Amino acid sequence: AQRVTQPEKLLSVFKGAPVELKCNYSYSGSPELFWYVQYSRQRLQLLLRHISRESIKGFTADLNKGETSFHLKKPFAQEEDSAMYYCALRLKTSYDKVIFGPGTSLSVIP
Amino acid sequence: GAGVSQSPSNKVTEKGKDVELRCDPISGHTALYWYRQSLGQGLEFLIYFQGNSAPDKSGLPSDRFSAERTGGSVSTLTIQRTQQEDSAVYLCASSSYVLNEKLFFGSGTQLSVL
Repeated sequence: AQRVTQPEKLLSVFKGAPVELKCNYSYSGSPELFWYVQYSRQRLQLLLRHISRESIKGFTADLNKGETSFHLKKPFAQEEDSAMYYCALRLKTSYDKVIFGPGTSLSVIP
Repeated sequence: GAGVSQSPSNKVTEKGKDVELRCDPISGHTALYWYRQSLGQGLEFLIYFQGNSAPDKSGLPSDRFSAERTGGSVSTLTIQRTQQEDSAVYLCASSSYVLNEKLFFGSGTQLSVL
């Protein structure tokens, strides 16, 4: 069955420290993966997508098909990075479906 | 134009009552999703619409939940005979049907069942 897992519900790091939010998926097809972020009192919004191979707000994520992972990384965490982060998988079937992981709450300590 | 609009933003109801939650997607977006967001459960997929049809209703928790979409635009999620475990934030998202297109989310409806 298709599934997205994020093993850490809560993650706390100090400002300036590296941060890595883990995401693993199970899917037999070719995956499309995304990271969405929800800042306090804001809407859920796209952070980045694997196909673009982009860096947004200093964050990057690399798709590792061998390990079925799509971990989100940033070398130096900032206080404004504190938010809820969701990893998402788009399933390529005859119709469109996007499923999300349970989310990781990141807290950056000043 | 405006983003995805959901109403009401907050709904308090008594156990056993029916509720309707509304989603107005971005104009021209053919794909529409409903998710339920609760602590510890993350974002739970409920239903997906492509146009007015719902090819995937697999996420609806029980037959008390139903959804419809009319005119390829507004969608309504109905919960009948609400239970306390239905309390959550119900999120709607829309997207255009193109490769790698992102989802645009509404601000959600906070449902509290007393």
